[in-house]
Amino acid sequence: EVQLVESGGGLVQPGGSLRLSCAASGFTFSTYSMNWVRQAPGKGLEWVSYITSSSGNIYYADSVRGRFTMSRDNAKNSLYLQMNGLRVEDTAVYYCASWLSGNPSVFEHWGQGTLVTVSS
Amino acid sequence: QAGLTQPPSVSKDLRQTATLTCTGNSNNIGNQGAAWLQQHQGHPPRLLSYRNNNRPSGISERFSASRSGNTASLTITGLQAEDEADYYCSAWDTSLNAVVFGGGTKLTVL
Repeated sequence: EVQLVESGGGLVQPGGSLRLSCAASGFTFSTYSMNWVRQAPGKGLEWVSYITSSSGNIYYADSVRGRFTMSRDNAKNSLYLQMNGLRVEDTAVYYCASWLSGNPSVFEHWGQGTLVTVSS
Repeated sequence: QAGLTQPPSVSKDLRQTATLTCTGNSNNIGNQGAAWLQQHQGHPPRLLSYRNNNRPSGISERFSASRSGNTASLTITGLQAEDEADYYCSAWDTSLNAVVFGGGTKLTVL
């Protein structure tokens, strides 16, 4: 069974930093492109970033580029999102999600999400 | 990044058919089609359909997708109470090098 388990969320002040993690199991993590997608309270889905299987390509949404850094450790079956310079508008549930192999933007599996709250 | 356009809400009666739309442009839906996700309150999204009408295993045949030009559609037949949820479309935008989502459609089953 595929499992994606996010952790690292919490309350942080504006300007602060957090590092999210996503532990993957039940599939060959090293062969899949992975994503972070967020959802602000009561709002829709917003794609944050994506990383290819070998970390050769990483893309970011305009709203987080320069502040967030996505990475992965295939040996540990883990995905990360380093978030710096956090803003109130970054408050959201952050999901990690795998892409269906060979199908960009097709989010096949999702974690349960971790809540990030940016507030003073 | 500019997103895809979905109607905010749709209401239909039990056992009826609902068609949800998602409009983009030639750089996203017109180029590679759309995927559809269902999200129940308090749960993560679930993939329903991709590349216009491919369904993951376990997804009911009541869900079918199509595309015409830059507009993707999801049709749900024989509406059931459990179909009441938010529905999102997504696509890869080749000009933005980014994923774009629709704003979501809240489907109410009366």
